[in-house]
Amino acid sequence: EADIYQTPRYLVIGTGKKITLECSQTMGHDKMYWYQQDPGMELHLIHYSYGVNSTEKGDLSSESTVSRIRTEHFPLTLESARPSHTSQYLCASSEGQGGAYEQYFGPGTRLTVT
Amino acid sequence: KNQVEQSPQSLIILEGKNCTLQCNYTVSPFSNLRWYKQDTGRGPVSLTIMTFSENTKSNGRYTATLDADTKQSSLHITASQLSDSASYICVVSDRGSTLGRLYFGRGTQLTVWP
Repeated sequence: EADIYQTPRYLVIGTGKKITLECSQTMGHDKMYWYQQDPGMELHLIHYSYGVNSTEKGDLSSESTVSRIRTEHFPLTLESARPSHTSQYLCASSEGQGGAYEQYFGPGTRLTVT
Repeated sequence: KNQVEQSPQSLIILEGKNCTLQCNYTVSPFSNLRWYKQDTGRGPVSLTIMTFSENTKSNGRYTATLDADTKQSSLHITASQLSDSASYICVVSDRGSTLGRLYFGRGTQLTVWP
């Protein structure tokens, strides 16, 4: 089982609140990713990082922001949550860049904004 | 447009029976194809990876096939178990970008009944 952790696992929060979703991995991977997944739909890449101090936006536009101050930590922040942000957020990491390297996924955070 | 299509969308089988899930893709240039298993409320876990030159790969009761000419893959599950109930996601990566872009299918939701 992959050593990648996400907290909280479930979060119900009111509109306008600031939230931070935590993601940590103990594998020493440089590459980390955030995906958004709605029920029955495919995963969409919203952020990725090549390493410390590197962050890039993914294919799906997102109002969230990320930071990478430490190799093992890749938190995602929403400054003002809205109902449209309700979704499952999956964090992943990989040893290298490219499809040849397996991405290891965390258990996900299911976010509900009321 | 690079896409990954999976069928059926959902499938119900009885414990002990076999089943086959399908994946068609248009991703080019092709790098590799993975099948992931995603249990409810969990992150995806890789089952198999296949490159262009590989036709078949097995992982226990899971056997994946790849026809790179027709751009089709299948995942065959033998002697199904209750624990096989999950979403099975086909993921294709390209080698045309530095990131090694991943293209996700929407998954097949498999339910195994006792």
